[in-house]
Amino acid sequence: DIQMTQSPSTLSASVGDRVTITCRASQSISSWLAWYQQKPGKAPKLLIYKASSLESGVPSRFSGSGSGTEFTLTISSLQPDDFATYYCQQYSDYWTFGQGTEVEIK
Amino acid sequence: QLQLQESGPGLVRPSDTLSLICSVSGGSIGSSSYYWGWIRQPPGKGLEWIGSIYYSGSTYSNPSLKSRVTLSVDTSKNQFSLKLSSVTAADTAVYYCARRGSTKAGGYFDLWGRGTLVTVSS
Repeated sequence: DIQMTQSPSTLSASVGDRVTITCRASQSISSWLAWYQQKPGKAPKLLIYKASSLESGVPSRFSGSGSGTEFTLTISSLQPDDFATYYCQQYSDYWTFGQGTEVEIK
Repeated sequence: QLQLQESGPGLVRPSDTLSLICSVSGGSIGSSSYYWGWIRQPPGKGLEWIGSIYYSGSTYSNPSLKSRVTLSVDTSKNQFSLKLSSVTAADTAVYYCARRGSTKAGGYFDLWGRGTLVTVSS
């Protein structure tokens, strides 16, 4: 099965910072990767699909890139609403999630 | 707009079977464009895909849980359900139902229910 590894596990940042989260797959998944945002007590929310496609309604400060085994989620200018936990998920072979990256206030 | 809502017991005894229903409103579960799935999240931990079902009854399940998972769909009630047998404390989690596309290109989960906490305890 395909393992997904995110780094870092926790990220401390300030409003206005550029933030990058990395997700690595244990084998090539082409571009079959999604990113989700989850806030405490809430369901995950889809941000990005097919590695770089922005879900409708998601602010353009969110972007995704990568293919094969290495992917990134970038928030160009962190906003107060963006402090949350972010998960990557592959859908190349079954469905597996990364362990999550918590973005906390510095 | 289409919404998903999980329902079921919040407490299950060890070795019993966990049973949950996901009710779909604002749209038809019989659409050929989607699979309907279950994902869980133990308290303070990450997400784990459990399984997915098509309106026709075709299913996919996580190999690590497959022997304990039963998925079913009732198109007349616009619902799908999860049964997880022989539960232990490790099955304590928030259980989400979610929708994904029926093609490989649509394999991400674009719509989620609010989730329901199921605790396994005697």
